Amino acid sequence: NAGVTQTPKFQVLKTGQSMTLQCAQDMNHEYMSWYRQDPGMGLRLIHYSVGAGITDQGEVPNGYNVSRSTTEDFPLRLLSAAPSQTSVYFCASRDAGGSNQPQHFGDGTRLSIL
Amino acid sequence: GENVEQHPSTLSVQEGDSAVIKCTYSDSASNYFPWYKQELGKGPQLIIDIRSNVGEKKDQRIAVTLNKTAKHFSLHITETQPEDSAVYFCAATPTDKLIFGTGTRLQVFP
Repeated sequence: NAGVTQTPKFQVLKTGQSMTLQCAQDMNHEYMSWYRQDPGMGLRLIHYSVGAGITDQGEVPNGYNVSRSTTEDFPLRLLSAAPSQTSVYFCASRDAGGSNQPQHFGDGTRLSIL
Repeated sequence: GENVEQHPSTLSVQEGDSAVIKCTYSDSASNYFPWYKQELGKGPQLIIDIRSNVGEKKDQRIAVTLNKTAKHFSLHITETQPEDSAVYFCAATPTDKLIFGTGTRLQVFP
């Protein structure tokens, strides 16, 4: 199994550009989420989804959109990139059995906004 | 909401020594406490977890302890090896979300 796959691994954008970070999982997990990781701040939850067609906001949702049309995919969209969105982005998934189910992370997308 | 504090932010130990990382949480509703290891250029990987009905759990050289009364939990690594060098994150789950600590960079010197 590939687990959680994120693409691209690296991206450089100019301020104001838009882009979509892709995330796919092959474990049939209902729950998927996006985090951003910044130095000294750990991982902060951006958006999450408890199943296809259902999404909700996390701690830092502003400037990001998500959708969940299939169980496998959970893309994260930056509508108008800002330098403050320079970060490493991680997608994660887990089973639907509750918050005490282990989360599986992808290897991240390193995003720089100039 | 839940707040997870993690200490220390950096930890250097000699190979073979023990390492201890401590976390505190604020929401008494939290009932699951995982620990993740993140190597350079990789995503976090679950290394051990503990649920609120258990006080201690051990897996080879790694152990986690939980004190629900004091709202703190700790990661213990014994007989450290250079490959234990990484960033370690604790987390707590008061609801269906995972709230992370700020991480500890562990360096094990040969």
